[in-house]
Amino acid sequence: AQKVTQAQTEISVVEKEDVTLDCVYETRDTTYYLFWYKQPPSGELVFLIRRNSFDEQNEISGRYSWNFQKSTSSFNFTITASQVVDSAVYFCALKNQAGTALIFGKGTTLSVSS
Amino acid sequence: DTAVSQTPKYLVTQMGNDKSIKCEQNLGHDTMYWYKQDSKKFLKIMFSYNNKELIINETVPNRFSPKSPDKAHLNLHINSLELGDSAVYFCASSQDLTGGAAIEQYFGPGTRLTVT
Repeated sequence: AQKVTQAQTEISVVEKEDVTLDCVYETRDTTYYLFWYKQPPSGELVFLIRRNSFDEQNEISGRYSWNFQKSTSSFNFTITASQVVDSAVYFCALKNQAGTALIFGKGTTLSVSS
Repeated sequence: DTAVSQTPKYLVTQMGNDKSIKCEQNLGHDTMYWYKQDSKKFLKIMFSYNNKELIINETVPNRFSPKSPDKAHLNLHINSLELGDSAVYFCASSQDLTGGAAIEQYFGPGTRLTVT
């Protein structure tokens, strides 16, 4: 069975703090894809990143970085020097090679205060 | 130049009514989807559709039906609306359906459906 667990329901930080959002996934497939999406208070879902199972290279994009570790089935997301605009719900998602849909975690609500 | 658009953004209706939500994508993608986000923010697939097949999540009541007049549109029709149908419905699209280079899904802004 496929499953995505985001154990942190809510996280509150103060601006400029670093914060890591955890994502643990379960799948029996050897080929799969992992995603992060951001849902700001305005409600839209914004694609952030996709990582393929055969590519364990970590990625950095500005203040965002992602750590993919197959050994622990984790795909964690770190925001460095958080800003108020980072306040949102962040979803981790999984898709298998043959599957068509994204399997979402329950999301982590990040609140960044000034 | 909106990539995935949905109308209406808000929909308030009474139990028992039939309603439709429209979705259009101008990304040239081959595959479109409908997701439901409940009051706890949980997102779940309802349908996946491309020009070859419609894949229905087995938990979706048959009161829900997707209709695709062409590759760029996937509308969601709901019959006999119930209170439990209240949710935010998201349309999405992707270039590829299964594996491939471009499978990330791009979402519309969502339609908040309230059934009274």
